[in-house]
Amino acid sequence: DVQLVEAGGGLGKPGGSLRLSCAASGFSFTNTWMNWVRQAPGKGLEWVGRIFSKTSGGTTEYAAPVKGRFTISRDDSRTTLYLQMNRLESEDTGVYYCAFGSNAYDSSDFDRWGQGAQVTVSS
Amino acid sequence: DIQMTQSPSSLSAFVGDRVTITCRASQNIGSCLNWYQQKPGKAPKLFIQGARNLQSEVPSRFDGSGSGTDFTLTISSLQPDDIATYYCQQCYTAPLTFGGGTKVEIK
Repeated sequence: DVQLVEAGGGLGKPGGSLRLSCAASGFSFTNTWMNWVRQAPGKGLEWVGRIFSKTSGGTTEYAAPVKGRFTISRDDSRTTLYLQMNRLESEDTGVYYCAFGSNAYDSSDFDRWGQGAQVTVSS
Repeated sequence: DIQMTQSPSSLSAFVGDRVTITCRASQNIGSCLNWYQQKPGKAPKLFIQGARNLQSEVPSRFDGSGSGTDFTLTISSLQPDDIATYYCQQCYTAPLTFGGGTKVEIK
């Protein structure tokens, strides 16, 4: 069975850093483009960014609010996705999901989601 | 960036009513439009892919239509289990973007 398990959430200070991880299993992680999606409290869904597979160049793409502050990476040997969050802002507070689409290696149809990791940015 | 505008932001209807949610893209996205259902405290669930393709296990009372810039999600007969927030999402190009959501409630 496909599993995505996020970890590393918690409390971070404004201007500080946090790193989330997403441990993946049950599918070909190496060949799959992976995404992060977040949701602020009581708000809608917001795509954070994605990372291509290494065979597709390993390129990363980000939403404007996080570009230059967040970095997505992957360790295919550990089948784990990461989100390094730097220069945290209060607006980064929310639940962070890793997600992918299983219908194609580069799918943007997210039918697989983790359970979510809570990030709270507060002094 | 492609903006996705959903309406209404919330609605309340009786069990058995026909419910329609619309989603408009700021530019032509072909049929690259997905619908998600999200219940409180849960991860979103992909309901409709490619504007009209119901995912397995999604009840047949759900229907997706549209192409280009205008899309619709219809529930033909609202059921208590349909209480949730629904989001559209364009899969056409990065940055991928979601609509603001439509919260569906029972009267």
